[in-house]
Amino acid sequence: DIVMTQTPLSSPVTLGQPASISCRSSQSLVHSDGNTYLSWLQQRPGQPPRLLIYKISNRFSGVPDRFSGSGAGTDFTLKISRVEAEDVGVYYCMQATQFPTWTFGQGTKVEIK
Amino acid sequence: EVQLVQSGAEVKKPGESLKISCKGSGYSFTSYWIGWVRQMPGKGLEWMGIIYPGDSDTRYSPSFQGQVTISADKSISTAYLQWSSLKASDTAMYYCARAQDEIDYWGQGTLVTVSS
Repeated sequence: DIVMTQTPLSSPVTLGQPASISCRSSQSLVHSDGNTYLSWLQQRPGQPPRLLIYKISNRFSGVPDRFSGSGAGTDFTLKISRVEAEDVGVYYCMQATQFPTWTFGQGTKVEIK
Repeated sequence: EVQLVQSGAEVKKPGESLKISCKGSGYSFTSYWIGWVRQMPGKGLEWMGIIYPGDSDTRYSPSFQGQVTISADKSISTAYLQWSSLKASDTAMYYCARAQDEIDYWGQGTLVTVSS
């Protein structure tokens, strides 16, 4: 089974400053179809998760462009260029390369300093 | 507009049975998988299992195989998650989510509380 490991688990950030979260998978997430099914989810307090980024770097509908994703193979990064108050929450990476099995990272809590 | 609307919060006693639902709208219900995800209090997301309503193909996480049953009624665009005998450790928020390759839309969640 693929294990997803996120770092850091907590990220205190100053408003307007950047934030970065890393996600590493225990094996390559490149699918036999050539795609890499690595997504990033945001869960604001008291809310369900919401898709931010899919296939490493594609922003989902309505997601602000301050969110960006990058990476390849087993190493991936979510960046927030300038953190806003509404970005507070927990961020999860997840893999669907082994679809229909999904695996989530442990989550990274982004909070304002 | 794609929507997944889940049934309301439940409070149950250990040993009781329960079936919660997830109704899809705004898309072809039989063309996407519906998965279930558990979130225990203060914890992360755990994949439980998934169903393809078009042909009822169902897969379970080994951690949840035999503990829950996933089903769907495509005539009413609704997926279900059920327990035959709840335990206190089943207390959690349960989310349904739609997927083709990756998850795109999530339900609002159903809080299940199991307490004597």
